[in-house]
Amino acid sequence: ETGVTQSPTHLIKTRGQQVTLRCSSQSGHNTVSWYQQALGQGPQFIFQYYREEENGRGNFPPRFSGLQFPNYSSELNVNALELDDSALYLCASSERDGSYEQYFGPGTRLTVT
Amino acid sequence: GNSVTQMEGPVTLSEEAFLTINCTYTATGYPSLFWYVQYPGEGLQLLLKATKADDKGSNKGFEATYRKETTSFHLEKGSVQVSDSAVYFCALSPNFGNEKLTFGTGTRLTIIP
Repeated sequence: ETGVTQSPTHLIKTRGQQVTLRCSSQSGHNTVSWYQQALGQGPQFIFQYYREEENGRGNFPPRFSGLQFPNYSSELNVNALELDDSALYLCASSERDGSYEQYFGPGTRLTVT
Repeated sequence: GNSVTQMEGPVTLSEEAFLTINCTYTATGYPSLFWYVQYPGEGLQLLLKATKADDKGSNKGFEATYRKETTSFHLEKGSVQVSDSAVYFCALSPNFGNEKLTFGTGTRLTIIP
């Protein structure tokens, strides 16, 4: 059974640029959630996708957007990057109609300069 | 809204010491409660969970009891090992865990031989 994978591992961008982060769900999972973890803080919920539709959103501006694909993999897009967007971005997959437990990937470390 | 308050760290203990990490929450309804662990350079791993009042979650020698009367979910272990060194996060979900997770700020635990 393949776990949740994320790419890239690390990324450095300049303020104002756009970035796309990718997540592959664990096999059999149909739900993907994205979290932002600033240094020394707990993860903050960005949004969740279930069967390609957004299914809940946290307190993040519209420049944070996402997609989920038919194979349940997902992308997180951030436009007009700001310095405060520097964080570890975590993806978690789960089976909505099953055990509900969210399985986390290793994260993508984004640095905005 | 929902919130989680965790005992501030860092916490340093000697091997075989007793561990308690305090966690209290604010939520409407009947949330599910979780402890996640994050080892250096890795994503979050679910350590244990409890989905209703008075449930006790346990795993790898760690335990936590869902106390609705005190809105608490304290993590305990009778005898810690060096390998338990990690950051521990308390979290809640409105229902069974597939929805938005709200995390505490995390407690860094270091065990010295």
